[in-house]
Amino acid sequence: QVLLVQSGSELKKPGASVKVSCKASGYTFTTYAMNWVRQAPGQGLEWMGWINTNTGNPTYAQGFTDRFVFSLDTSVGTAYLQISSLKAEDTALYYCAREYSSAWGYWGQGTLVTVSS
Amino acid sequence: QSALTQPASVSGSPGQSITISCTGTSSDIGGYNYVSWYQQHPGKAPKLMIYEVSYRPSGVSNRFSGSKSGNTASLSISGLQAEDEADYYCTSHTSSNFYVFGPGTKVTVL
Repeated sequence: QVLLVQSGSELKKPGASVKVSCKASGYTFTTYAMNWVRQAPGQGLEWMGWINTNTGNPTYAQGFTDRFVFSLDTSVGTAYLQISSLKAEDTALYYCAREYSSAWGYWGQGTLVTVSS
Repeated sequence: QSALTQPASVSGSPGQSITISCTGTSSDIGGYNYVSWYQQHPGKAPKLMIYEVSYRPSGVSNRFSGSKSGNTASLSISGLQAEDEADYYCTSHTSSNFYVFGPGTKVTVL
Protein backbone atom coordinates (compact mmCIF):
# COMPACT_ATOMS: atom_id res chain seq x y z
CA GLN A 1 0.00 0.00 0.00
CA VAL A 2 1.03 3.60 -0.54
CA LEU A 3 2.68 5.13 2.51
CA LEU A 4 4.22 8.53 3.08
CA VAL A 5 6.22 8.75 6.29
CA GLN A 6 7.50 12.14 7.37
CA SER A 7 10.30 13.05 9.73
CA GLY A 8 9.62 14.02 13.33
CA SER A 9 8.81 17.33 14.97
CA GLU A 10 11.40 20.08 14.94
CA LEU A 11 12.05 22.95 17.34
CA LYS A 12 14.18 25.68 15.79
CA LYS A 13 15.31 29.17 16.67
CA PRO A 14 14.51 32.14 14.44
CA GLY A 15 17.01 32.43 11.62
CA ALA A 16 17.84 28.72 11.57
CA SER A 17 16.99 26.25 8.80
CA VAL A 18 15.02 23.03 8.82
CA LYS A 19 14.72 20.12 6.40
CA VAL A 20 11.61 17.94 6.50
CA SER A 21 11.65 14.56 4.79
CA CYS A 22 8.84 12.53 3.27
CA LYS A 23 9.70 8.91 2.51
CA ALA A 24 7.41 7.18 0.03
CA SER A 25 6.80 3.48 -0.35
CA GLY A 26 4.36 1.16 -2.08
CA TYR A 27 4.66 2.65 -5.56
CA THR A 28 7.21 3.85 -8.10
CA PHE A 29 8.37 7.16 -6.64
CA THR A 30 9.07 8.93 -9.92
CA THR A 31 5.60 8.27 -11.35
CA TYR A 32 3.63 10.74 -9.26
CA ALA A 33 4.19 14.37 -8.29
CA MET A 34 4.67 15.29 -4.66
CA ASN A 35 2.98 18.31 -3.16
CA TRP A 36 3.56 20.19 0.07
CA VAL A 37 0.79 21.72 2.21
CA ARG A 38 1.10 23.94 5.27
CA GLN A 39 -1.30 24.26 8.18
CA ALA A 40 -0.60 26.92 10.78
CA PRO A 41 -1.92 26.24 14.30
CA GLY A 42 -5.71 26.41 14.30
CA GLN A 43 -5.77 27.52 10.67
CA GLY A 44 -6.71 26.05 7.30
CA LEU A 45 -4.71 24.26 4.65
CA GLU A 46 -2.39 26.16 2.34
CA TRP A 47 -0.91 24.71 -0.85
CA MET A 48 2.82 25.42 -0.99
CA GLY A 49 3.61 23.89 -4.37
CA TRP A 50 4.80 20.67 -5.91
CA ILE A 51 7.80 18.91 -7.33
CA ASN A 52 7.95 16.77 -10.44
CA THR A 53 9.51 13.58 -9.12
CA ASN A 54 10.61 12.58 -12.62
CA THR A 55 12.48 15.75 -13.56
CA GLY A 56 13.05 17.30 -10.14
CA ASN A 57 11.48 20.56 -11.33
CA PRO A 58 9.76 22.41 -8.45
CA THR A 59 6.83 24.82 -8.64
CA TYR A 60 6.24 27.17 -5.73
CA ALA A 61 2.97 28.85 -4.83
CA GLN A 62 2.87 32.57 -4.17
CA GLY A 63 4.27 33.24 -0.74
CA PHE A 64 6.62 30.28 -0.90
CA THR A 65 9.12 31.41 -3.51
CA ASP A 66 11.67 32.91 -1.18
CA ARG A 67 12.93 30.69 1.63
CA PHE A 68 11.39 27.37 0.64
CA VAL A 69 13.08 24.64 -1.40
CA PHE A 70 11.67 21.33 -2.57
CA SER A 71 14.13 18.57 -3.43
CA LEU A 72 14.32 14.84 -3.99
CA ASP A 73 16.50 11.82 -3.46
CA THR A 74 14.98 9.38 -5.91
CA SER A 75 17.46 6.66 -4.88
CA VAL A 76 15.66 6.38 -1.55
CA GLY A 77 12.20 7.52 -2.67
CA THR A 78 12.22 10.63 -0.50
CA ALA A 79 11.07 14.20 -0.99
CA TYR A 80 12.37 17.07 1.08
CA LEU A 81 11.17 20.50 2.13
CA GLN A 82 13.83 22.90 3.34
CA ILE A 83 12.96 26.22 4.96
CA SER A 84 15.71 28.74 5.62
CA SER A 85 15.84 31.91 7.74
CA LEU A 86 12.99 30.58 9.87
CA LYS A 87 10.49 33.04 11.33
CA ALA A 88 7.93 32.61 14.07
CA GLU A 89 5.18 32.64 11.45
CA ASP A 90 6.67 29.49 9.87
CA THR A 91 5.44 27.55 12.91
CA ALA A 92 3.06 25.04 11.37
CA LEU A 93 2.34 21.46 10.43
CA TYR A 94 3.84 20.61 7.07
CA TYR A 95 2.34 17.79 5.03
CA CYS A 96 3.58 16.01 1.93
CA ALA A 97 0.80 14.74 -0.32
CA ARG A 98 1.01 12.50 -3.37
CA GLU A 99 -0.83 13.20 -6.57
CA TYR A 100 -4.01 11.18 -7.28
CA SER A 101 -5.92 12.17 -10.43
CA SER A 102 -5.26 15.91 -10.10
CA ALA A 103 -5.92 15.72 -6.36
CA TRP A 104 -3.95 14.56 -3.33
CA GLY A 105 -4.98 11.08 -2.39
CA TYR A 106 -2.15 10.10 -0.07
CA TRP A 107 -0.82 12.21 2.76
CA GLY A 108 2.04 12.00 5.18
CA GLN A 109 1.28 12.22 8.87
CA GLY A 110 2.56 15.80 9.03
CA THR A 111 5.67 17.32 10.57
CA LEU A 112 5.33 20.03 13.19
CA VAL A 113 7.91 22.75 12.86
CA THR A 114 8.03 25.13 15.81
CA VAL A 115 10.07 28.32 15.59
CA SER A 116 10.75 29.89 18.94
CA SER A 117 13.59 31.63 20.70
CA GLN B 1 -6.96 35.16 2.41
CA SER B 2 -8.37 32.29 0.32
CA ALA B 3 -9.44 32.85 -3.25
CA LEU B 4 -12.29 30.38 -2.61
CA THR B 5 -15.10 31.00 -0.15
CA GLN B 6 -16.82 28.43 2.05
CA PRO B 7 -19.28 28.81 4.92
CA ALA B 8 -17.50 28.75 8.26
CA SER B 9 -19.84 26.15 9.65
CA VAL B 10 -22.67 23.84 8.69
CA SER B 11 -24.63 21.62 11.03
CA GLY B 12 -27.23 18.91 10.81
CA SER B 13 -28.86 16.17 12.84
CA PRO B 14 -27.99 12.51 12.38
CA GLY B 15 -29.61 11.12 9.26
CA GLN B 16 -30.10 14.50 7.66
CA SER B 17 -28.39 15.78 4.52
CA ILE B 18 -26.17 18.83 4.34
CA THR B 19 -24.41 20.69 1.55
CA ILE B 20 -21.21 22.70 1.73
CA SER B 21 -20.61 25.28 -0.97
CA CYS B 22 -17.29 26.47 -2.37
CA THR B 23 -17.39 29.57 -4.52
CA GLY B 24 -14.61 30.77 -6.76
CA THR B 25 -14.31 32.44 -10.14
CA SER B 26 -14.03 31.55 -13.79
CA SER B 27 -10.25 31.43 -13.26
CA ASP B 28 -10.49 28.50 -10.91
CA ILE B 29 -13.65 26.52 -10.16
CA GLY B 30 -15.56 27.77 -13.19
CA GLY B 31 -12.71 27.10 -15.59
CA TYR B 32 -11.64 23.61 -14.63
CA ASN B 33 -13.08 20.30 -13.49
CA TYR B 34 -10.26 19.90 -11.01
CA VAL B 35 -12.17 20.52 -7.80
CA SER B 36 -11.49 18.23 -4.88
CA TRP B 37 -12.72 17.98 -1.30
CA TYR B 38 -10.87 16.91 1.83
CA GLN B 39 -12.08 15.84 5.26
CA GLN B 40 -9.89 16.55 8.26
CA HIS B 41 -10.54 15.29 11.76
CA PRO B 42 -8.74 17.03 14.65
CA GLY B 43 -5.12 15.99 14.87
CA LYS B 44 -5.29 13.96 11.67
CA ALA B 45 -4.04 14.39 8.13
CA PRO B 46 -6.59 15.43 5.51
CA LYS B 47 -8.39 12.69 3.58
CA LEU B 48 -9.46 12.95 -0.04
CA MET B 49 -13.23 12.59 -0.33
CA ILE B 50 -14.01 13.84 -3.85
CA TYR B 51 -11.79 14.54 -6.86
CA GLU B 52 -12.45 16.04 -10.29
CA VAL B 53 -15.70 17.58 -9.04
CA SER B 54 -17.69 14.40 -8.48
CA TYR B 55 -15.54 11.27 -8.32
CA ARG B 56 -15.12 9.31 -5.11
CA PRO B 57 -11.87 7.47 -4.37
CA SER B 58 -12.35 3.85 -3.52
CA GLY B 59 -13.25 3.39 0.11
CA VAL B 60 -15.11 6.69 0.48
CA SER B 61 -18.76 6.26 1.41
CA ASN B 62 -21.33 6.94 -1.29
CA ARG B 63 -23.04 9.25 1.20
CA PHE B 64 -20.55 11.83 -0.05
CA SER B 65 -21.13 13.42 -3.43
CA GLY B 66 -19.77 16.40 -5.31
CA SER B 67 -21.09 18.69 -8.00
CA LYS B 68 -20.41 21.99 -9.71
CA SER B 69 -22.47 24.73 -11.27
CA GLY B 70 -20.70 27.71 -12.77
CA ASN B 71 -18.19 29.06 -10.29
CA THR B 72 -19.58 27.15 -7.32
CA ALA B 73 -18.77 23.59 -6.29
CA SER B 74 -20.67 21.69 -3.64
CA LEU B 75 -20.09 18.74 -1.36
CA SER B 76 -23.17 16.95 -0.12
CA ILE B 77 -23.32 14.51 2.74
CA SER B 78 -26.44 12.39 3.09
CA GLY B 79 -27.45 10.30 6.08
CA LEU B 80 -25.27 12.41 8.34
CA GLN B 81 -23.35 10.40 10.95
CA ALA B 82 -21.41 11.37 14.05
CA GLU B 83 -18.16 10.38 12.35
CA ASP B 84 -18.78 12.99 9.65
CA GLU B 85 -18.09 15.75 12.17
CA ALA B 86 -14.89 17.29 10.86
CA ASP B 87 -13.46 20.18 8.87
CA TYR B 88 -13.97 20.09 5.11
CA TYR B 89 -11.80 21.90 2.59
CA CYS B 90 -12.37 22.44 -1.10
CA THR B 91 -9.56 23.07 -3.54
CA SER B 92 -9.35 23.97 -7.19
CA HIS B 93 -6.81 24.18 -9.97
CA THR B 94 -6.33 27.77 -11.14
CA SER B 95 -5.47 29.54 -14.37
CA SER B 96 -2.01 30.27 -12.95
CA ASN B 97 -1.44 26.52 -12.94
CA PHE B 98 -1.55 26.57 -9.15
CA TYR B 99 -3.97 25.15 -6.63
CA VAL B 100 -5.92 27.04 -4.01
CA PHE B 101 -7.75 25.84 -0.90
CA GLY B 102 -10.94 27.21 0.53
CA PRO B 103 -10.84 28.39 4.17
CA GLY B 104 -12.60 25.27 5.42
CA THR B 105 -16.05 24.46 6.80
CA LYS B 106 -16.64 22.95 10.21
CA VAL B 107 -19.38 20.35 10.08
CA THR B 108 -21.18 19.73 13.35
CA VAL B 109 -23.50 16.79 13.91
CA LEU B 110 -26.12 17.92 16.41
